[in-house]
Amino acid sequence: EIVMTQSPATMSVSPGERATLSCRASQSVSSNLAWYQQKPGQAPRLLIYGASTRATGIPARFSGSGSGTEFTLTISSLQSEDFAVYYCQQYNNWPLTFGGGTRVEIK
Amino acid sequence: EVQLLESGGGLVQPGGSLRLSCAASGFTFSSYAINWVRQAPGKGLEWVSFISGTGGSTYYADFVKGRFTISRDNSKNILYLQMNSLTAEDTAIYYCARGPPVGIAMGAFDIWGQGTMVTVSS
Repeated sequence: EIVMTQSPATMSVSPGERATLSCRASQSVSSNLAWYQQKPGQAPRLLIYGASTRATGIPARFSGSGSGTEFTLTISSLQSEDFAVYYCQQYNNWPLTFGGGTRVEIK
Repeated sequence: EVQLLESGGGLVQPGGSLRLSCAASGFTFSSYAINWVRQAPGKGLEWVSFISGTGGSTYYADFVKGRFTISRDNSKNILYLQMNSLTAEDTAIYYCARGPPVGIAMGAFDIWGQGTMVTVSS
């Protein structure tokens, strides 16, 4: 099983600042990596797939990068609606696996 | 509007069974794989199972193998998850999530339902 490790677990960021979230895979997942956003009481929402492609309707302030085992989600200028939990997920190997999540909270 | 709507959750005793449903609308159901993903209270996301668009391929997480069965009825646009031998560790919100279209083996989950809560307790 591929273990996905996200860091940090929690980050405090001021509105308008940049946030950089990390995701590491225990073995290569190529570019088969997705990022999801989840707000309290809501289902997850797909942000990024293929490591760097924004899903439909996702603002340009969200960007993804990386390949192999190291990935990054960057939110260029945090808006109030961006405070949430973010998960990475690999879909290169069965079983599909998620990272433990990064909570982005207001500083 | 593309939509997935889960139902069938509830309170069940340890060792009991439950069948979840996920009704799809707004897209050609048979053209897409669908997954079940769960989230225990206050915890992260955990993939449970996958079924291809035709139903011919299925995969399961190790912790549900032999206990859960995923299936679909493409004539009714409904996905199912039959859950047997439930334990307290199965307590979670269960989401159905659309996977890749037919012809693509694995992909991200672009559409999610709102989830249905399963509580296993005596």
